[in-house]
Amino acid sequence: GAVVSQHPSRVICKSGTSVKIECRSLDFQATTMFWYRQFPKQSLMLMATSNEGSKATYEQGVEKDKFLINHASLTLSTLTVTSAHPEDSSFYICSANREFNEQFFGPGTRLTVL
Amino acid sequence: EDKVVQSPLSLVVHEGDTVTLNCSYEVTNFRSLLWYKQEKKAPTFLFMLTSSGIEKKSGRLSSILDKKELFSILNITATQTGDSAIYLCAVEASGSRLTFGEGTQLTVNP
Repeated sequence: GAVVSQHPSRVICKSGTSVKIECRSLDFQATTMFWYRQFPKQSLMLMATSNEGSKATYEQGVEKDKFLINHASLTLSTLTVTSAHPEDSSFYICSANREFNEQFFGPGTRLTVL
Repeated sequence: EDKVVQSPLSLVVHEGDTVTLNCSYEVTNFRSLLWYKQEKKAPTFLFMLTSSGIEKKSGRLSSILDKKELFSILNITATQTGDSAIYLCAVEASGSRLTFGEGTQLTVNP
């Protein structure tokens, strides 16, 4: 199957700092990537749809100025959590679309904001 | 607003038991229903269902979709401890957006 990587896998930061998470499709080109957030014991919630070369589409209730998404190439999308606070601590997962709308998930990034 | 509801939320069984997990949905512009297994990290794909009444099978796992009644079931026969995980149902709408249910936490005891 296709491979999607995320980096870093785990990050701990102080409140007020910004954190960048990378999502890469390693063996295919993905015109669309998705960013999800998962709080403990909860399901995945779609945050935004990232389209290569255009602005991301954010779900209702997700602050676009806080969660900056850049999809600069067909294999890379980045999510930057700006001025992170403890309530932003979560598991962030990306997925990438291959042909026939197959979605492949990255391994996730565990963010802890102190 | 798209909605996916899974039941039960939690299930504890013994090895060898058969389990049935349920997923109902209300989605505009339905394209497909997907089942995932999530252990410690990101979900891993199990099935994609697009047509009613056609069972998909992979080993001890099988799934079927009813587009008239808007639900799907995931069956696991002869459960093993390695089946312990969260099973997520997701519905794909237009634009490939996935809406996930809350998941069913399955625990299989030896």
